[in-house]
Amino acid sequence: AQSVTQLGSHVSVSEGALVLLRCNYSSSVPPYLFWYVQYPNQGLQLLLKYTSAATLVKGINGFEAEFKKSETSFHLTKPSAHMSDAAEYFCAVRGGSQGNLIFGKGTKLSVKP
Amino acid sequence: ETGVTQTPRHLVMGMTNKKSLKCEQHLGHNAMYWYKQSAKKPLELMFVYNFKEQTENNSVPSRFSPECPNSSHLFLHLHTLQPEDSALYLCASSQDQGGANVLTFGAGSRLTVL
Repeated sequence: AQSVTQLGSHVSVSEGALVLLRCNYSSSVPPYLFWYVQYPNQGLQLLLKYTSAATLVKGINGFEAEFKKSETSFHLTKPSAHMSDAAEYFCAVRGGSQGNLIFGKGTKLSVKP
Repeated sequence: ETGVTQTPRHLVMGMTNKKSLKCEQHLGHNAMYWYKQSAKKPLELMFVYNFKEQTENNSVPSRFSPECPNSSHLFLHLHTLQPEDSALYLCASSQDQGGANVLTFGAGSRLTVL
């Protein structure tokens, strides 16, 4: 069975500061991992995905995530936060070729001017 | 129109009403999904259809009834709902199920049950 834990339901950073959103997963098979973003009154939009091709994955809007098997982590980072990054971020895992996507509870990112 | 379109965006209904949510995708995807998003809870997968056939019913109460007439359209029929059913209902589609397939989401239908 797969599961996802996002540490911190709310993260606040200053504009220009590093963004770090944490995600740990559990999967009995090599996982596919995803980060989605949800802006207010919108659906979820894919930021990036890990499919075993490379451990460091670059996504849209300057975000990237690193897959660390030893730590079962897939943390999302961005070097410099922008006001437009304020949104809710969801980590998701799918175990292997079968199975459905399992989402974490989400982390709401606030960016202070 | 491209992407995944959901209508209505907002719906208020009484517990005895019958209403339907509609989802349409113009991406040529084969799989479609209904998710429920409630405050402070993870997204809950409700139903999955692949090539119009239901492949997943995640123990959803029978007051929610899905319908998938073709690969481009998905409905969620609602009847005798409870106030705790108030939530954002998200529709999504993907090329196929499983693996690295990416879900494309609609903007959601915000449901309020009085």
